[in-house]
Amino acid sequence: EAQVTQNPRYLITVTGKKLTVTCSQNMNHEYMSWYRQDPGLGLRQIYYSMNVEVTDKGDVPEGYKVSRKEKRNFPLILESPSPNQTSLYFCASSLGGASTSLYGYTFGSGTRLTVV
Amino acid sequence: SQQGEEDPQALSIQEGENATMNCSYKTSINNLQWYRQNSGRGLVHLILIRSNEREKHSGRLRVTLDTSKKSSSLLITASRAADTASYFCATDAFPRSNYKLTFGKGTLLTVNP
Repeated sequence: EAQVTQNPRYLITVTGKKLTVTCSQNMNHEYMSWYRQDPGLGLRQIYYSMNVEVTDKGDVPEGYKVSRKEKRNFPLILESPSPNQTSLYFCASSLGGASTSLYGYTFGSGTRLTVV
Repeated sequence: SQQGEEDPQALSIQEGENATMNCSYKTSINNLQWYRQNSGRGLVHLILIRSNEREKHSGRLRVTLDTSKKSSSLLITASRAADTASYFCATDAFPRSNYKLTFGKGTLLTVNP
């Protein structure tokens, strides 16, 4: 089944403890992106990657890191999480290039992160 | 800044009725997409309409696009309780810089049985 898989689904952590949220897609998509969703603010893009070893900042990149060493994986790293990073996080992928105008994004099921 | 803004913020209807949601955006676009999100779950792509299209259908969904007014509408006909979800419009801005989709804040649709 074509899908984007995020792990974990739920995570509670303490301030300052490094964590990684994994994202993997099995569709050979070039484009991958991370969003966070907060009440009243909608979805905001954190980082995106147009292909292996090509990443760039979205609208709210502060406090986050990403890497794209393989086409299928795009982990989100919080090196020193803070309570304002408590949110619902989504990974998404797309074929990329001109195809993005044809097919849209495929989203993962989300990771609900709580930082205390 | 928010590109797409949905209206209304919330909509409650009876099963069998039609539901119409609107989206306004600010800048020129390559395409506009609609997504559905069931509570706390991932977004599901519903339909995409390109900037040179005016109307598109997919099953019970009908999307219109008016680029002169920078607006779109999503019509769900003969609604079902299972259509209860949040609906988001998302725009792919022109000229494309990074294929980013910018999402609105969504319309919460409740379909009562």
